[in-house]
Amino acid sequence: KAGVTQTPRYLIKTRGQQVTLSCSPISGHRSVSWYQQTPGQGLQFLFEYFSETQRNKGNFPGRFSGRQFSNSRSEMNVSTLELGDSALYLCASSPGQGPLRGYTFGSGTRLTVV
Amino acid sequence: GESVGLHLPTLSVQEGDNSIINCAYSNSASDYFIWYKQESGKGPQFIIDIRSNMDKRQGQRVTVLLNKTVKHLSLQIAATQPGDSAVYFCAENMYGGSQGNLIFGKGTKLSVKP
Repeated sequence: KAGVTQTPRYLIKTRGQQVTLSCSPISGHRSVSWYQQTPGQGLQFLFEYFSETQRNKGNFPGRFSGRQFSNSRSEMNVSTLELGDSALYLCASSPGQGPLRGYTFGSGTRLTVV
Repeated sequence: GESVGLHLPTLSVQEGDNSIINCAYSNSASDYFIWYKQESGKGPQFIIDIRSNMDKRQGQRVTVLLNKTVKHLSLQIAATQPGDSAVYFCAENMYGGSQGNLIFGKGTKLSVKP
């Protein structure tokens, strides 16, 4: 059973640009959540998508957005990149309802803004 | 300016000893808790979970204890091995784990000396 796949693994972008990250969940999982991990702030929740709808949102500015497709794949977009957006971006998938055993994380996309 | 990194608590143990990693959670309404292990360059990996209607749960070599009175979680690892060296995070959730964001603790770095 394939795990959570995130692409690309590494990205280098220039300040002011925008970036799109992709996440393919475990087959059958309908929920995809996104997290930002930095040395300064740790792991912080960005948003969750379930059945193509944003179900929960963290405290990040509107420059951070996402979407989910009918096959449950999700993309995250960051516009007008700032140096502080440099981080490891992780996505996690889960069935999205009912009892579950945690969320399964991908290996992340390492974004560097220069 | 440069971000100040999180000062991760560090636990250093001898191979074969038992390890206890502690976590204080923030929200008294949280009803689902997870421990994750994160190795360098990888996403967090599920270890064990517990619901708020329990105070103890055992897995293979791991035990999680929950004290709701003082909002405290602990992870006990029996017979710690070098492969257990990683950063360990606790996470909490208010929706029984069925949706929504995970709120992560700051993490504890476990080092196992052979």
